[in-house]
Amino acid sequence: DSGVTQTPKHLITATGQRVTLRCSPRSGDLSVYWYQQSLDQGLQFLIQYYNGEERAKGNILERFSAQQFPDLHSELNLSSLELGDSALYFCASSTRHSSGELFFGEGSRLTVL
Amino acid sequence: ILNVEQSPQSLHVQEGDSTNFTCSFPSSNFYALHWYRWETAKSPEALFVMTLNGDEKKKGRISATLNTKEGYSYLYIKGSQPEDSATYLCAFVGSQGNLIFGKGTKLSVKP
Repeated sequence: DSGVTQTPKHLITATGQRVTLRCSPRSGDLSVYWYQQSLDQGLQFLIQYYNGEERAKGNILERFSAQQFPDLHSELNLSSLELGDSALYFCASSTRHSSGELFFGEGSRLTVL
Repeated sequence: ILNVEQSPQSLHVQEGDSTNFTCSFPSSNFYALHWYRWETAKSPEALFVMTLNGDEKKKGRISATLNTKEGYSYLYIKGSQPEDSATYLCAFVGSQGNLIFGKGTKLSVKP
């Protein structure tokens, strides 16, 4: 158990809908990362937060947004969902904003029908 | 666009074989290089975090080296066991702090 909690574990929804994925980092970790893993793709970096502030942005679509709250949990919002958004979404946390090892949650599997 | 390449894409070895994989990354704006092990139906787990050119790290039968000047890292597994079967990921950390992962090397160890 990495100490990182992601909910929900599985989510099935329809195209055009909006979903929110939630991540609670390990106790004491200030940095949260979001990654997307689609079929046959590696881990695609979406966005990173450190202590409530956006720190780095990857290939995150405009339909997606995220935030980190004062209690350090983070949410990834995916809207106007398309079939291609079906993927496993991982959250990871670390103690530092860079170079510290990541601790991954179990992922949220999103299926868009 | 940062490119992190891993080779080979997959590898099949016999139990007891030693093996190694390569991770290539940009040699500029280097901050750190991570290695992770990802077993099927689980989440990636960190093996090593390497920051200095010439770094060598070891954990049991697994070791890694780092060359930041030429932009590569090797992961070695000595005497592979079936339980080593997993996908091994490397991740480049640039000066901005974001971790960019390679696509991984999938290792299968046959008993």
